[in-house]
Amino acid sequence: GDSVTQMEGPVTLSEEAFLTINCTYTATGYPSLFWYVQYPGEGLQLLLKATKADDKGSNKGFEATYRKETTSFHLEKGSVQVSDSAVYFCALRVYGGATNKLIFGTGTLLAVQP
Amino acid sequence: DGGITQSPKYLFRKEGQNVTLSCEQNLNHDAMYWYRQDPGQGLRLIYYSQIVNDFQKGDIAEGYSVSREKKESFPLTVTSAQKNPTAFYLCASSIQQDTQYFGPGTRLTVL
Repeated sequence: GDSVTQMEGPVTLSEEAFLTINCTYTATGYPSLFWYVQYPGEGLQLLLKATKADDKGSNKGFEATYRKETTSFHLEKGSVQVSDSAVYFCALRVYGGATNKLIFGTGTLLAVQP
Repeated sequence: DGGITQSPKYLFRKEGQNVTLSCEQNLNHDAMYWYRQDPGQGLRLIYYSQIVNDFQKGDIAEGYSVSREKKESFPLTVTSAQKNPTAFYLCASSIQQDTQYFGPGTRLTVL
């Protein structure tokens, strides 16, 4: 079945370090891919998305490229800030059928130290 | 401001009680969803509704019930049949097959 695999956390970085959070997926059909962010005690916020192969989603300095050949959607940021500390979820949605179901990875906790 | 509201933020339930979690949206979205989040896990779909007066079971519907009498509202009832209800519950909405947007969540604890 369809699934998403994320690197396990926590990921601990110093401020201004480069961030990569790996995400790979298994899906039938042609999924759309998403990164959501969850700050402590809050709901999920959409960070970025990509709907077809080679698309690059970007927002707030974060980027992710939809790589069909490697079934990946890794999240990157060139210089993290303390305020980026949160849990990051990779998710996919497969078109077709009666549902708009999202399939989530288990989340990766990012802790940025000053 | 448009958005999704959930209430209450924290909810405590005694064993054997039913409780209802509220979800309201003013985004004019047709579809609404309920997810459950447990520590160290991703979100799992409980129920979803694509139009008023219609809803479908998700992956973990047992012990839960929903209604969709209005477009703006999609309340979730956690029944006494749910054996392990302590979790963080998230409501989401979307324009049919488009991107889902989430509310702030309700944390339910069974005493």
